[in-house]
Amino acid sequence: GAVVSQHPSWVICKSGTSVKIECRSLDFQATTMFWYRQFPKQSLMLMATSNEGSKATYEQGVEKDKFLINHASLTLSTLTVTSAHPEDSSFYICSADSLFRAADTGELFFGEGSRLTVL
Amino acid sequence: SQQGEEDPQALSIQEGENATMNCSYKTSINNLQWYRQNSGRGLVHLILIRSNEREKHSGRLRVTLDTSKKSSSLLITASRAADTASYFCATGETSGSRLTFGEGTQLTVNP
Repeated sequence: GAVVSQHPSWVICKSGTSVKIECRSLDFQATTMFWYRQFPKQSLMLMATSNEGSKATYEQGVEKDKFLINHASLTLSTLTVTSAHPEDSSFYICSADSLFRAADTGELFFGEGSRLTVL
Repeated sequence: SQQGEEDPQALSIQEGENATMNCSYKTSINNLQWYRQNSGRGLVHLILIRSNEREKHSGRLRVTLDTSKKSSSLLITASRAADTASYFCATGETSGSRLTFGEGTQLTVNP
């Protein structure tokens, strides 16, 4: 299957600082990327959907000014957690899809996730 | 908001036994998918079943879908210790790729 890479895989930061997480599709052009957040022992909650070259669409309750998403190229999307606080500590996972796939399997390709700990 | 509910929340079985996990959802769907997540890792796609399908097999996996009851089940036969993971169902409401995940089932297979 296609490969999606996330970086960093884990990060610890101080409260009030900003953290950037990268999501790269390594072997296909990702026209759409999704960002999820997952708290311990819970499910994945969709935060936002980003399409290459346009503004991200945020889910209800997700602050767009706090979670900045950029999808400037077909292989890279970034999530920046601004002015991070301890309650932002979570596991952030991206997934990628492509309109250029030959077969519409419906399968999404997920990154390995980035664990953020805010002290 | 979460679409699906899964049960059981946790399941512990012995190697060689079968594991059955259930998923219920609320809205109309285009497809339902099952994913696996090892602790602290990303998700791995297991199988997709479309709304016009009732059953699908892939290796030791068998998925059923009952759209009248808005439910699905995932059966893992002849389980192995390596199957220990969390399993999530996810529904696609349209033919696009936006998914809504269920709460997940934590499966433990004891050697």
